[in-house]
Amino acid sequence: AQSVTQLDSQVPVFEEAPVELRCNYSSSVSVYLFWYVQYPNQGLQLLLKYLSGSTLVKGINGFEAEFNKSQTSFHLRKPSVHISDTAEYFCAVSEVGYQKVTFGTGTKLQVIP
Amino acid sequence: GVTQSPTHLIKTRGQQVTLRCSSQSGHNTVSWYQQALGQGPQFIFQYYRKEENGRGNFPPRFSGLQFPNDSSELNVNALELDDSALYLCASSSAGVPGGYTFGSGTRLTVV
Repeated sequence: AQSVTQLDSQVPVFEEAPVELRCNYSSSVSVYLFWYVQYPNQGLQLLLKYLSGSTLVKGINGFEAEFNKSQTSFHLRKPSVHISDTAEYFCAVSEVGYQKVTFGTGTKLQVIP
Repeated sequence: GVTQSPTHLIKTRGQQVTLRCSSQSGHNTVSWYQQALGQGPQFIFQYYRKEENGRGNFPPRFSGLQFPNDSSELNVNALELDDSALYLCASSSAGVPGGYTFGSGTRLTVV
């Protein structure tokens, strides 16, 4: 069975500083990987996804993530954060050939002015 | 996009509730998730072609329907206090890996 571990529950960072949100996954088969963002009292919005090919994936709002198969990781990065990036971020995995998506417990990104 | 109704709901323990979801145009698969406060979304079940196509660790009192227009309902019987959560509907296209399109959710409070 697939699973996702987000190592940090909260990450405070100053505005315009870089940030990395960590995600590790576990699966015995090939996977697709996703990052979603959730703003307060809203649903989840897809930031980016890894399906195949290049291990560096670029998403919306200047975010990018790198798939590392040997370390089973899919960390999310942004070189310079803005106040508007304050939200909760969820890493998610689905096994190839299956529709079910499993989510991590989330990382709250707090951008400090 | 995906629309869910109602946005908020308060029910009494033991009652029954129906939540509704309209899929994004062109999507034929609907998944339901429960998100308790401070937690990640937990998979309840998924529907494809009106059939349940996978289920998470939820009791049978959680049930669903998918209609010919690919809209969906989530029904919960005999509500318990722990059922208080944000219920999220997500639509997708079977066979097209690409993640979900989520609705904004229904906030259910059981008192």
